[in-house]
Amino acid sequence: DTAVSQTPKYLVTQMGNDKSIKCEQNLGHDTMYWYKQDSKKFLKIMFSYNNKELIINETVPNRFSPKSPDKAHLNLHINSLELGDSAVYFCASSRGDGYTFGSGTRLTVV
Amino acid sequence: SQELEQSPQSLIVQEGKNLTINCTSSKTLYGLYWYKQKYGEGLIFLMMLQKGGEEKSHEKITAKLDEKKQQSSLHITASQPSHAGIYLCGADMTGGFKTIFGAGTRLFVKA
Repeated sequence: DTAVSQTPKYLVTQMGNDKSIKCEQNLGHDTMYWYKQDSKKFLKIMFSYNNKELIINETVPNRFSPKSPDKAHLNLHINSLELGDSAVYFCASSRGDGYTFGSGTRLTVV
Repeated sequence: SQELEQSPQSLIVQEGKNLTINCTSSKTLYGLYWYKQKYGEGLIFLMMLQKGGEEKSHEKITAKLDEKKQQSSLHITASQPSHAGIYLCGADMTGGFKTIFGAGTRLFVKA
């Protein structure tokens, strides 16, 4: 059973489109994260939710909107996609003593 | 079990002591990355290793990738309270199309 699953794994879309990436964890963790990994492998936190409450909201364009319907899900919706949004997006969960990462979603905006 | 095993899971050291964190895979790694997270903050990229036997240093932190490219160690010399945090290793699997992460090592430094 996959502990942290992200869908889709690959996403190719045109500029200006709106897309969503879904993340689900079955570990019972309280905290979930979205990270963006750029071409230089830098991993930047975007958002963090704890028990469905937003606790970290780094400086990201407001075109990015996270939604956590329950503790096990943290989805990322992106409006008006731009070329610079192309990256690998990782979802992760934690209960405080370690991370479990999803396999990543490779987003390509053309 | 994780594809990338980190050990130890947590570590408490006295200020001034040296320490080592390991990151191990059963498969050949395409690239190995070390990150650090200060408590309550995001992950900070420390360094990247790509070649077998490669060693890099950043201030008092040294990381090395073994010849087989299956294990990396992160060594901190003369630890300080500022070194406290969670250290995370990440790696590209062969081919570079998949990145995986360890579970992290939580480091506490006692003054």
